Amino acid sequence: EDKVVQSPLSLVVHEGDTVTLNCSYEVTNFRSLLWYKQEKKAPTFLFMLTSSGIEKKSGRLSSILDKKELSSILNITATQTGDSAIYLCALLDQTGANNLFFGTGTRLTVIP
Amino acid sequence: KAGVTQTPRYLIKTRGQQVTLSCSPISGHRSVSWYQQTPGQGLQFLFEYFSETQRNKGNFPGRFSGRQFSNSRSEMNVSTLELGDSALYLCASSFYELAGELFFGEGSRLTVL
Repeated sequence: EDKVVQSPLSLVVHEGDTVTLNCSYEVTNFRSLLWYKQEKKAPTFLFMLTSSGIEKKSGRLSSILDKKELSSILNITATQTGDSAIYLCALLDQTGANNLFFGTGTRLTVIP
Repeated sequence: KAGVTQTPRYLIKTRGQQVTLSCSPISGHRSVSWYQQTPGQGLQFLFEYFSETQRNKGNFPGRFSGRQFSNSRSEMNVSTLELGDSALYLCASSFYELAGELFFGEGSRLTVL
């Protein structure tokens, strides 16, 4: 079964738009939730969120964890063509063998 | 500071063969983790090595194995290759055991014929 579900699967927006990407998870007891950006092959780290629920921000990107809804959102404001990528959410489970579960990603395309 | 280096970048094998992939982490990083990425399944965690010991493991069959050397370089081996093993294999390194910011390599693209 899928432990991490991302939505939407894909999204096309115009430059300047604001987008919200969603990551829902089933595991309640976890160490951290991670967001990555994958443009070509190597994913690059964006944020790490813990159960403390503190929002993380970096420039136009921000992310927060909603423990009640078992979800996290990634917001990108004033999108640019360079934001076009696959955005991956991953959950580090702390049960069992500390498995790391990735969602299938959201493909964002920003058109000029 | 050099990034994570994976070799080979591309390779083609036939069913039944075995393959070994290599990953050199960022200098000073002691954790190396491996992932399989396919269009259908997305990115899936294989295993993680920290200080030469396998510390975490995903849900893959025993045909997938790995090791880590004293210089933190890691190898991943897949035996008795199947068509479904065709994928992009990514490795990532971090200073601490699997927990937060991971630095990924460009991957090794394996095609099994």
